[in-house]
Amino acid sequence: QQQVRQSPQSLTVWEGETAILNCSYEDSTFNYFPWYQQFPGEGPALLISIRSVSDKKEDGRFTIFFNKREKKLSLHITDSQPGDSATYFCAARGNVGDNSKLIWGLGTSLVVNP
Amino acid sequence: EAAVTQSPRNKVTVTGGNVTLSCRQTNSHNYMYWYRQDTGHGLRLIHYSYGAGNLQIGDVPDGYKATRTTQEDFFLLLELASPSQTSLYFCASSDAEQYFGPGTRLTVL
Repeated sequence: QQQVRQSPQSLTVWEGETAILNCSYEDSTFNYFPWYQQFPGEGPALLISIRSVSDKKEDGRFTIFFNKREKKLSLHITDSQPGDSATYFCAARGNVGDNSKLIWGLGTSLVVNP
Repeated sequence: EAAVTQSPRNKVTVTGGNVTLSCRQTNSHNYMYWYRQDTGHGLRLIHYSYGAGNLQIGDVPDGYKATRTTQEDFFLLLELASPSQTSLYFCASSDAEQYFGPGTRLTVL
């Protein structure tokens, strides 16, 4: 079963718009949520992360909004640029059991048209 | 920033062939991971290790062996490659965050 779900599978926005990527999870013990960005031909790279004690994390044009009660989070990319076109993965990790593993979503493919 | 390198970057083999994928990290991270990435499946964990000589089984281990020879080096072995193992393979190392290598594209004919 997919413990971390992402939607939409793909998203197209115009340059300058805000892209919203969604993520939800099943396990209430998850307490750390990184988002990774992957460009074609490259490995994923950490973009931004949030811990469950916070409801918002901002880094430049990238902001995570976190709702612990609903087990949902979203990545907002404001003023989207063509260079933001990539696949974005939401992941999760808890502190129960094997906390050396990340649980990965299937990714959202973002295209930003100029 | 952690540096993770992988070799080869591309590999073509035949069914039943023997393949070794190599990964090296230079930041003395304890944890190293092998993933495969396939369209529609995201990143799937094959094996991982928390130090030299240690091996932990991941979520999709069948058909794969792995060995961590040193703190820096982690190898993925496919002893009887099958077409279903055609994939993009990533290695990662981790302290708190995971840092990924550039990937190896493996084709099994």
